[in-house]
Amino acid sequence: GNSVTQMEGPVTLSEEAFLTINCTYTATGYPSLFWYVQYPGEGLQLLLKATKADDKGSNKGFEATYRKETTSFHLEKGSVQVSDSAVYFCALLAAGNKLTFGGGTRVLVKP
Amino acid sequence: DTAVSQTPKYLVTQMGNDKSIKCEQNLGHDTMYWYKQDSKKFLKIMFSYNNKELIINETVPNRFSPKSPDKAHLNLHINSLELGDSAVYFCASSQGVARETQYFGPGTRLLVL
Repeated sequence: GNSVTQMEGPVTLSEEAFLTINCTYTATGYPSLFWYVQYPGEGLQLLLKATKADDKGSNKGFEATYRKETTSFHLEKGSVQVSDSAVYFCALLAAGNKLTFGGGTRVLVKP
Repeated sequence: DTAVSQTPKYLVTQMGNDKSIKCEQNLGHDTMYWYKQDSKKFLKIMFSYNNKELIINETVPNRFSPKSPDKAHLNLHINSLELGDSAVYFCASSQGVARETQYFGPGTRLLVL
C-alpha cells in the first residue's frame, strides 16, 4: 500500500535558520504530493503541492521538489520565523483519492 | 468567507452518549471527506462522499455513520461514544475524485470522558 515517511521531530531552530524536513514516499503509479501545515490549535492548511516529477511547489518562502528517482518531496525554507512554528505534514494522493499522511514533524522556531 | 466549516469546534461528552459533527463547504466541490487525527497527530481517512454517494468507507466501527444531505454538507454521527473516540475530526472537500487537492476545515476537538 501507499505510505509516507517523514522525519520525526521536534525540530528546534533559531530564527533565520535554514529548515529542511525530509519526506519520502511509497506508492503505486504517479501520486500527487502535498505539504500541509497545522498551526497550534488550528486546522490543516495546504502549504504547497506538486503533481508530477520535477515539479516544484512553493508558497510563503517554502519549497519542495517532486523527485521521482528518490521518491522524495523534502520541504525547505531558507530563513524561518517564529511564526513558522507548527506541525508539518507530508502527504500523497494516488488513485482512490485517499490522502495518505506522514506522521507529522513539529517545528519550533525560537527568537 | 469560510471555505470549509465545522461545528462544533469543541465537544466534550460522556461515554455512551450519541453526538453529531456537522460540516459545510461553500467551494462548490462535489466530494467531501472525514479524517481522524489521534493524540499523536496521526491522520487517517474515515469516509468520503461524492455527489452524496459514499465512495470511501475505511475500517471504521459502525458506531460512526456519515450522512450527506446534499453536496455541500457532510455530517458525522457517532453512537455510544467510547474513550478511544477522543480525537480531532477534520472535514475536507475537493472538486472531484481525480486526485484533486483537498481543503480542510478547522477541525472538531472531541473529548470523551
